[in-house]
Parts: sequence; C-alpha cells; structure tokens
Amino acid sequence: NAGVTQTPKFRVLKTGQSMTLLCAQDMNHEYMYWYRQDPGMGLRLIHYSVGEGTTAKGEVPDGYNVSRLKKQNFLLGLESAAPSQTSVYFCASSQQGAHQPQHFGDGTRLSIL
Amino acid sequence: GQNIDQPTEMTATEGAIVQINCTYQTSGFNGLFWYQQHAGEAPTFLSYNVLDGLEEKGRFSSFLSRSKGYSYLLLKELQMKDSASYLCAILDSNYQLIWGAGTKLIIKP
Repeated sequence: NAGVTQTPKFRVLKTGQSMTLLCAQDMNHEYMYWYRQDPGMGLRLIHYSVGEGTTAKGEVPDGYNVSRLKKQNFLLGLESAAPSQTSVYFCASSQQGAHQPQHFGDGTRLSIL
Repeated sequence: GQNIDQPTEMTATEGAIVQINCTYQTSGFNGLFWYQQHAGEAPTFLSYNVLDGLEEKGRFSSFLSRSKGYSYLLLKELQMKDSASYLCAILDSNYQLIWGAGTKLIIKP
C-alpha cells in the first residue's frame, strides 16, 4: 500500500524557472495539503483542498499555485522559482475533517539557485 | 498572535522516561496533535487530544490541559529508534493546523 507518493524526491532549479510537484494518494482521502518545512520553523501550510475540484490558500500561498483535478492527485506549481522557495515540501492527505490525522509523503527537497 | 513553544532539543538515556512539553497561545482550540518525524523522513501521527487528561497508547502517552494551554508527550522505556523530532500542532478556531518547530530528541545508550 503506497499511501502518499511525492514526485520528484529531489530537484535543483535556477531562479525564474517553473516546475510542478506531484502528490498522489491511494487512500481515497478527501482532504489534501501542501506544506513547506524550513529549519527551525514549524510546518507551514501553502495550499489545501477539501475535495476534487476545490482548493484554498493556506498561510504562505504567494508564489505557488495548486490544482486538484482528480481526487487522488494534488499538484503544486512554482510559477517563477525564487531562492526563498528553497525548502522541503511535504504533501499530506486525510479523511474528511480537520481533526483527522494527516498522512504525509516522503517530501521533495527543492533547491533554488 | 499564534504561538507554540517546544524545547528545541532534549537528550535522554535508553530505557528511561522523557517528557516533551508543548505550550500554546492560539486563536481558539479544537484539538492538539503530536507527530513523530525521523531525520529526513515524513511526519507520522502519534496522538490527538481534544479533552483534558491523559491518553495512553503503548509506550507513548499524551496529556492536555486546555485551561493552562499546555500539553506533554511522555515516552517510556526509551529505545534508540525513538531518536526523532516530535512535533506539536494545534487546531485553531478556523480549524487550521498551527505547527510548533518541533523538539529533537536524542537517545544515548
């Protein structure tokens, strides 16, 4: 059982380049989330989705876009990468309800030069 | 503002007991989570508390006092594999999760 799968695991970009991070879950979860994790800070929510076709902004949405065209997939796009977006990105999913435990992918380590 | 405080790092001995504290000041409260995160890996769910008191789950227990804005995670019979970061997260009045920076726990033989 794969759970939550993130692609790619590592990536190095140049400033100004764009890319898409893919998250796929096979648990039929309604809710999906994108976080970034930086040293010395807690996880920060970028965007989230409470169902297919819906998305909402989190705490730090600027510079990112998301899409949830299929229930099992949640895509995170960087429109024009900046060095400040160097981070580890985690995708998570959960059953319906904010009180439900979140299941995380293994993360994508992204460096912007 | 929203604030969650956890010690940055703690050290304990294999076989011993350790208590990791979390204090919070948030806009409302709808529950508190503890997650474990091994270095370079994904966070994994440990516990969820919404009512005051102690919840025990094997070697791990989690305590909550809503009036004091305080929780702790108690780990008993420590094993080397318990070396990890422990993340406290609060579900605020908007049902958004606010995460603490985590406590890195180092277990020594």
